[in-house]
Amino acid sequence: GAVVSQHPSRVICKSGTSVKIECRSLDFQATTMFWYRQFPKQSLMLMATSNEGSKATYEQGVEKDKFLINHASLTLSTLTVTSAHPEDSSFYICSARKLGEPSYEQYFGPGTRLTVT
Amino acid sequence: AQSVTQLDSQVPVFEEAPVELRCNYSSSVSVYLFWYVQYPNQGLQLLLKYLSGSTLVKSINGFEAEFNKSQTSFHLRKPSVHISDTAEYFCAVSEGPYNTDKLIFGTGTRLQVFP
Repeated sequence: GAVVSQHPSRVICKSGTSVKIECRSLDFQATTMFWYRQFPKQSLMLMATSNEGSKATYEQGVEKDKFLINHASLTLSTLTVTSAHPEDSSFYICSARKLGEPSYEQYFGPGTRLTVT
Repeated sequence: AQSVTQLDSQVPVFEEAPVELRCNYSSSVSVYLFWYVQYPNQGLQLLLKYLSGSTLVKSINGFEAEFNKSQTSFHLRKPSVHISDTAEYFCAVSEGPYNTDKLIFGTGTRLQVFP
């Protein structure tokens, strides 16, 4: 199998604080991980692509200083939402590409619901 | 720019009835097309994909989708649905084969199967 987990599944934080979301590939090595954001009744929007050991590539319009991505190992990527505001409330989803598989094959985590009060 | 449209946000259907979930895309280049399924509290799973060759692609659980280039569509069908097919279905496109990293998703269609 190819299982991707996310932690936490839900988080509530106060405005101005930072929150970290973890994405782990449990049974495979992930050369690349992707972070998506999903608003209610809208599609998943790619935020950034991260490769192990290098800086993440952010999509246009995504603030890299606000959404810090770290991909320190082949099985873990973290997304830190800094100085969170209510408009950052959303569903964050990560996916991972397995080493040696075609680039279009992505394995998705179950998502993290962030609520900023 | 590419985009994906799933016009139906919800599709209610009775068990054993046929179903079609619609997906249209826009792109100026050749594309790869995907359907993902998301069951409650789980991550998206790849259901089927079109890369090249035969325009009709099938999944192991009875779903099929047909790539129609002239209509820029990739509708998902199943002749007889089961309760366990209740889930959210996402259509996605990538610029294949040169930019397969980036997936553009539709807004999703919630398939609700009733007994």
